[in-house]
Amino acid sequence: AQTVTQSQPEMSVQEAETVTLSCTYDTSESDYYLFWYKQPPSRQMILVIRQEAYKQQNATENRFSVNFQKAAKSFSLKISDSQLGDAAMYFCAYKDTGNQFYFGTGTSLTVIP
Amino acid sequence: GAVVSQHPSWVICKSGTSVKIECRSLDFQATTMFWYRQFPKQSLMLMATSNEGSKATYEQGVEKDKFLINHASLTLSTLTVTSAHPEDSSFYICSARALGAPGTEAFFGQGTRLTVV
Repeated sequence: AQTVTQSQPEMSVQEAETVTLSCTYDTSESDYYLFWYKQPPSRQMILVIRQEAYKQQNATENRFSVNFQKAAKSFSLKISDSQLGDAAMYFCAYKDTGNQFYFGTGTSLTVIP
Repeated sequence: GAVVSQHPSWVICKSGTSVKIECRSLDFQATTMFWYRQFPKQSLMLMATSNEGSKATYEQGVEKDKFLINHASLTLSTLTVTSAHPEDSSFYICSARALGAPGTEAFFGQGTRLTVV
């Protein structure tokens, strides 16, 4: 099975500042997909951003961007201009061309006003 | 994005009874739905993969006779916790993938908090 590692159980950031959440994964596949999901206190899982492994360009969604390093099997999430509403658990996820998703253990992000 | 509706949001049941949780894709067809269990401050643990019209595939260690999964249509999957016990108390989340490209993300239901007393 694939493994996804998030080495930061907890992170904090000052409002309006930038924070980077780390994620590494292990795979022997060349074609796969990576995701960052956000789980706020409501516990609804929300997709933040998606990256296709065959694309070299890093995905960006407004204040959220990724640093995808395929050779290093690293997929970090950068949140710019952090807002109070960004406080949540963030899960990194890997999916191959099949059906299954593999989730990391999560990073709890606190935004300090 | 696509909407997945999970019902109920929370349920309290007596030990020994059964509880059914529904997962519906509201505006898309989902050949595959996933059922997860999540303990407090932990990641999602995949319990089973549900395929429309066929038997679910259970992960190792998940009792298929205890967690009955039915995926009768392209928009509905159900998880029934049979003879529930307090240790089954947890947060259960379903997700669904739309038909189409393999890169399609999974859309998640709101989750169900089950408390067995």
